[in-house]
Amino acid sequence: QSVLTQPPSVSGAPGQRVTISCTGSSSNIGAGYDVHWYQHLPGTAPKLLIYGNTNRPSGVPDRFSGSKSGTSASLAITGLQAEDEADYYCQSYDSSLNWVFGGGTKLTVL
Amino acid sequence: QVQLQESGPGLVKPSETLSLTCTVSGGSISGYYWSWIRQPAGKGLECIGRIYSGGITKYNPSLKGRVTMSVDTSKNQFSLKLSSLTAADTAVYYCARSNPWFDPWGQGTLVTVSS
Repeated sequence: QSVLTQPPSVSGAPGQRVTISCTGSSSNIGAGYDVHWYQHLPGTAPKLLIYGNTNRPSGVPDRFSGSKSGTSASLAITGLQAEDEADYYCQSYDSSLNWVFGGGTKLTVL
Repeated sequence: QVQLQESGPGLVKPSETLSLTCTVSGGSISGYYWSWIRQPAGKGLECIGRIYSGGITKYNPSLKGRVTMSVDTSKNQFSLKLSSLTAADTAVYYCARSNPWFDPWGQGTLVTVSS
């Protein structure tokens, strides 16, 4: 069981907006530690999507955005495209466990 | 552009020690933290630990003293040793630079623990 909780799956039609939640606790997200998000296609290296809660690395489309509030964070994807179908992971720091990941969310584009 | 590449055996026997190396190219290993992360088949990502270029380490307590990391700045490499292997250690192992976000990552290497 992961320290950060994500829904196992989400889905949406092309062009729609989806959100992926990441719920933590007072020892990680709630303690003020930043949340980062990754996109992972099977057989490839995970790709950084969002760092420091809301920041996009160069080259990541602005269709991807992140937010954080309290003990939770969210990744939003607007204008859903077929190429967005992948696994998404949140990551933060836990004061007792070191760096931790969410369990991952599989995004299906219908 | 910094690139990372994992290397090591794809098959190791139970109770033995796994040794993996990550080679950093396109940039210096100095001045950064570097991490090992793994993903068992069908499961999520797990951070094994990290090492600073100066040699300071921090390991995931769930691995209970089985982990040792080292760095060789002259070769621009860092390494992972994981001892007392069991089938539960079968996974794809990634190396990554820690910022504290992980970027970039290596392509990953599949390690199977089996006799």
